[in-house]
Amino acid sequence: GAVVSQHPSWVICKSGTSVKIECRSLDFQATTMFWYRQFPKQSLMLMATSNEGSKATYEQGVEKDKFLINHASLTLSTLTVTSAHPEDSSFYICSARDWASGAAHIQYFGAGTRLSVL
Amino acid sequence: QKEVEQNSGPLSVPEGAIASLNCTYSDRGSQSFFWYRQYSGKSPELIMFIYSNGDKEDGRFTAQLNKASQYVSLLIRDSQPSDSATYLCAASNFGNEKLTFGTGTRLTIIP
Repeated sequence: GAVVSQHPSWVICKSGTSVKIECRSLDFQATTMFWYRQFPKQSLMLMATSNEGSKATYEQGVEKDKFLINHASLTLSTLTVTSAHPEDSSFYICSARDWASGAAHIQYFGAGTRLSVL
Repeated sequence: QKEVEQNSGPLSVPEGAIASLNCTYSDRGSQSFFWYRQYSGKSPELIMFIYSNGDKEDGRFTAQLNKASQYVSLLIRDSQPSDSATYLCAASNFGNEKLTFGTGTRLTIIP
């Protein structure tokens, strides 16, 4: 159980275009999902907390107008990188908690999306 | 600022030996601690979590927590080449959903 699916796994786009990344909880409902970014040889940095049915909570320094998060259902959150630039190239990873389980404190991670902006 | 610190390594351990990974945290309000393993180019996978002072064992892995010293460790017994990865320590507070990650320790098991 507690499987989180993330799509796509790899995307290459031109500078100035937008890219949408999907994060799905396959076998549980996730009222809260998290979006992280990881640059090479660095740790995971939380970008935002995605809340079903309400606005996401962004971490300090993360541009909410650039990284649009939508959590329209209990099993799907999307991250859209708008007007992407080469400096946005990174590994984006989502995670979710299964609040209905006995391990609600554990975050399960998607496989990640490697974004390359040319 | 809440921080979780780890020695970045690399840490090299002979196959079959015990690998010891360490982590310290600055926020005394931290209650839950997690060890994740991350292979190159992959996302983190949970190895163990621990809340209470003392040791917690799961197969070849043992997590140790000392809240007085604000110290968490992970021991890997009978190390295997497949254990070669980056190990991330993370902490969170009860009631706060966020995880704060350390920078990770790169472990290499030498055959």
